[in-house]
Amino acid sequence: DTAVSQTPKYLVTQMGNDKSIKCEQNLGHDTMYWYKQDSKKFLKIMFSYNNKELIINETVPNRFSPKSPDKAHLNLHINSLELGDSAVYFCASSQGRGGEQFFGPGTRLTVL
Amino acid sequence: QKEVEQNSGPLSVPEGAIASLNCTYSDRGSQSFFWYRQYSGKSPELIMSIYSNGDKEDGRFTAQLNKASQYVSLLIRDSQPSDSATYLCAVNIAGGGADGLTFGKGTHLIIQP
Repeated sequence: DTAVSQTPKYLVTQMGNDKSIKCEQNLGHDTMYWYKQDSKKFLKIMFSYNNKELIINETVPNRFSPKSPDKAHLNLHINSLELGDSAVYFCASSQGRGGEQFFGPGTRLTVL
Repeated sequence: QKEVEQNSGPLSVPEGAIASLNCTYSDRGSQSFFWYRQYSGKSPELIMSIYSNGDKEDGRFTAQLNKASQYVSLLIRDSQPSDSATYLCAVNIAGGGADGLTFGKGTHLIIQP
């Protein structure tokens, strides 16, 4: 069974479009995260959710909005996509704040 | 600003030898430390976690933490070609609202058969 899953695996879209990436974890964790890995492979935190509450937001543009319908899901919605949004987006989860984080397989987003 | 520094490499190690990966961090409030392995095109995979000063061993892997020096390292014994990957050091400050991991840029490790 996949612990942290993401869909889609690949996403190719035009500038200006709106897209969503879905994430689900079956580990029973209470905290979920979104990370962005850019073309230079640098991995950076975007958001984290604990008990459905947003607890950090690392200067991410407000075009990005995380949505958590329940503890097992954290979706990422992106409005008005820009070329610079092209990257690999990883979802992760942990039990408790500061706990070990487990990553999903990633979604490679390409904006044309 | 939290920073995590790693030598980007590549670090080339002969098969069977010990690979030593190093990481320094800037924030003295850091409380949790992690090593992830990332193969090309794959997601980061947790290798080791360490929370207190000293050594922690798990199979061929040993993590070492020195909070006074703000230094964490990973030793890989009996290195195998399958260990060739990028190793990411990550730190976390528990409490205070900062729960995401701050990653270093990774060290590219090559195990030469």
